[in-house]
Formats: sequence, C-alpha cells, structure tokens
Amino acid sequence: EADIYQTPRYLVIGTGKKITLECSQTMGHDKMYWYQQDPGMELHLIHYSYGVNSTEKGDLSSESTVSRIRTEHFPLTLESARPSHTSQYLCASSEFDRNTEAFFGQGTRLTVV
Amino acid sequence: GQQVMQIPQYQHVQEGEDFTTYCNSSTTLSNIQWYKQRPGGHPVFLIQLVKSGEVKKQKRLTFQFGEAKKNSSLHITATQTTDVGTYFCADTGTASKLTFGTGTRLQVTL
Repeated sequence: EADIYQTPRYLVIGTGKKITLECSQTMGHDKMYWYQQDPGMELHLIHYSYGVNSTEKGDLSSESTVSRIRTEHFPLTLESARPSHTSQYLCASSEFDRNTEAFFGQGTRLTVV
Repeated sequence: GQQVMQIPQYQHVQEGEDFTTYCNSSTTLSNIQWYKQRPGGHPVFLIQLVKSGEVKKQKRLTFQFGEAKKNSSLHITATQTTDVGTYFCADTGTASKLTFGTGTRLQVTL
C-alpha cells in the first residue's frame, strides 16, 4: 500500500486565484514528481525533485512552481489560475535509486472557471 | 528532447484475444518501467526491465526490452475485462526524471 497523499481530490476555482496542491509521502522517498494529465491522455512531467532544496523543471513548460523544504512534502503552487490550467495533477515519489518503482497519489482534478 | 512514443494509441479487443503495445524511444533508454492506469485511477507499477534483450513474464503478461535498448513491448495473452486500462512505458533516464510514453488505451469487450 502506497503512502502518498494528495489534497484536495477535486478543486473548482475562479480565474486569477492562487492555489496550492498538496502532496505528502511517508515512505522517506528522496525523489518526487508532479505530472499533468488530461483525461485519457499521456502524463507530462512538469516538476521533479531529488531531495530537500532540490527542484527541477520537467519536460512540459508550466506556470506552476514547487518547493521541497521537507523530504515528505512537495507542494505545487499556481499564483494565478487560468482555465488552461484545468487538468488532473498527479504526484509521485520513489527512492533515489532509479531502479525502483514510482508510487502515485490519487491525483487532484482541478477545474478553473 | 527525448520522445517516447507508444503504438497503438488505442485498441479494442474481444475477451480472449491477445494484445500488444509497443514503446519506442528517440534515444537509448536507461531502464524501462511499465505502468497500468485503470479508468479514473492513477498509474500503478507493473515491472522494470534493465538489460538489453531482457524478457520477463507475469502470468499472462510478457514484457520485452529491445536489443538496442530503444524499444520495449508488452504482450497480454488471452485478454480479460480486468485488463482494461491505459498502459504506459516509462524511461528512468540518466537524470532519473521518469519520462512516460504516450500510452496505449486497451478496451476489452465480452
């Protein structure tokens, strides 16, 4: 059973609002990831982290930002939400060794109106 | 940048038929992982392949890594309705980024 949690599960918010999507894991994993996925489509990596105070941008350009102040916590922030940000956001974590699987949270489905 | 493409994008089979999805990369893959995402769910790890030419089996699922480490495949024998979902390959990458392929959506009907 994976111990990685995302909140909220669903969020409907107005244009221009600032939002933070939370992701926490209790497995002590060093690596964490954020993916954006539209329904039935591919997963796009938008941010990843190797550990505390390490953050990198992924392959898909995103207006969001992330922070990694604690190992277990990897929040994603949108300063000003727009309808184009409507999507599902999936958080994942894995051990630092690349030969290990990634565990995913349940996802946050964001709708910006 | 690296592109990891999967074909087909979508396949609809009758229960009992076989199914194969192919994963092709524009660059040499580091290690390849396979994930399954059920409708409305999140990706769940199936297996990892590390060596060139490696073949692994899990019950009705057979995974293969190409000799040149630029492609991989997943074959399901005698599909069941429980196999419905989207299958993704993912490259662990030299920078450990975990880049996912475009996915193949499988629909199985009775």
